[in-house]
Amino acid sequence: ETGVTQSPTHLIKTRGQQVTLRCSSQSGHNTVSWYQQALGQGPQFIFQYYREEENGRGNFPPRFSGLQFPNYSSELNVNALELDDSALYLCASSLSAGDGYTFGSGTRLTVV
Amino acid sequence: KNQVEQSPQSLIILEGKNCTLQCNYTVSPFSNLRWYKQDTGRGPVSLTIMTFSENTKSNGRYTATLDADTKQSSLHITASQLSDSASYICVVSATRNNDMRFGAGTRLTVKP
Repeated sequence: ETGVTQSPTHLIKTRGQQVTLRCSSQSGHNTVSWYQQALGQGPQFIFQYYREEENGRGNFPPRFSGLQFPNYSSELNVNALELDDSALYLCASSLSAGDGYTFGSGTRLTVV
Repeated sequence: KNQVEQSPQSLIILEGKNCTLQCNYTVSPFSNLRWYKQDTGRGPVSLTIMTFSENTKSNGRYTATLDADTKQSSLHITASQLSDSASYICVVSATRNNDMRFGAGTRLTVKP
């Protein structure tokens, strides 16, 4: 079985631009959660998708949006990028919300 | 205030020595507690998961304990190896919303 894969691994964007990060969940997992992890900090919950519907959201502004596809892969979109958006973005999938999570290796986003 | 507090923030030990990492939480109502190991620039990898009724759980050289009354958990690493150098993150889930709360992690460095 494949694990969680994220793309791209690294990305540099300019302030004000938009970015799309992608995540392929582990086979059989229908729940995907996205996290933002600043350097030296623990991950912060952005939102969770369960069977293509948003199933919970953390304290992030609306310019952070997401999508889950019928094959349970997911996207994280961030509009109007700010310098503070620079972080490691992690995707985690699970069989169901609240079940054991498998994390991807993350996408390192740098906003300049 | 973070609902999951970890200590120490960082720790340096010699190869072969044991160490214990601490996690205190205020998340309520409690569902489960996980310990993750995160290598730099990588996604977290699950070490243990404990529910309310479990006091201890082992995974090789890693042993986690949980005291749900005092809301404390510890992760004990025995006979440390250089590859144990990583951040160890305590994650507590509430039964409501299935939201996971992450600690900031303990940065462990094992030196030869």
